Amino acid sequence: DIQMTQSPSSLSASVGDRVTITCRASQGITNDLGWYQQKPGEAPRRLIYAASTLQSGVPSRFSGSGYGTEFSLTISSLQPEDFATYYCLQHNSYPRTFGQGTKVEI
Amino acid sequence: QVRLQQWGAGLLKPSETLSLTCAVYGESFNDYFWTWVRQIPGKGLEWIGEVNHAGRANYNPSLKSRVSILGDTLKKQFSLKLRSVTAADTAVYFCARAALNRPLDYWGQGSLVAVSS
Repeated sequence: DIQMTQSPSSLSASVGDRVTITCRASQGITNDLGWYQQKPGEAPRRLIYAASTLQSGVPSRFSGSGYGTEFSLTISSLQPEDFATYYCLQHNSYPRTFGQGTKVEI
Repeated sequence: QVRLQQWGAGLLKPSETLSLTCAVYGESFNDYFWTWVRQIPGKGLEWIGEVNHAGRANYNPSLKSRVSILGDTLKKQFSLKLRSVTAADTAVYFCARAALNRPLDYWGQGSLVAVSS
């Protein structure tokens, strides 16, 4: 299985802050990676696919980058509605695997 | 607008079989991979497996011996069966869709399944 190591596991930030979350794959996955936001009691919502393509309808303050084994999700200016848990997901090989999640707190 | 709606029993006893169904609205059943993911309360996400319209399935090896995912193209539904459940299978189960070479995009609302004697 490909292990996805996500960091940090949690972070505290303020509205307006720039926040970066990283995912490291245990082997190369080209750009077969998505980023998700999940709020309590809700299903995950896809933010980014193909490592850096913004999902339609997602604010442009979200961006993704990376290729191979190192990936990052950046929120350029944190908004109140962005406080949530974020996950990466690799779909390069089976079984698909998620990162452990990053909880973004105030 | 694509919508996935899921249902199934929410309370099971140990050794019983978990059974969930997900219906697909607003989109063809073909050309996608229909997926189940679970989330133990307070924990992360675990990919269980998927099935395509032709009935080809892929499973997580950690669950493969107990899981079956089937699709019904005519009804535009797919199902999850997990046999011999234990308390460790207590989780919120989500159905979801993936396009070819794309990660999961549309998700069901989630179903909490609790296993308790």
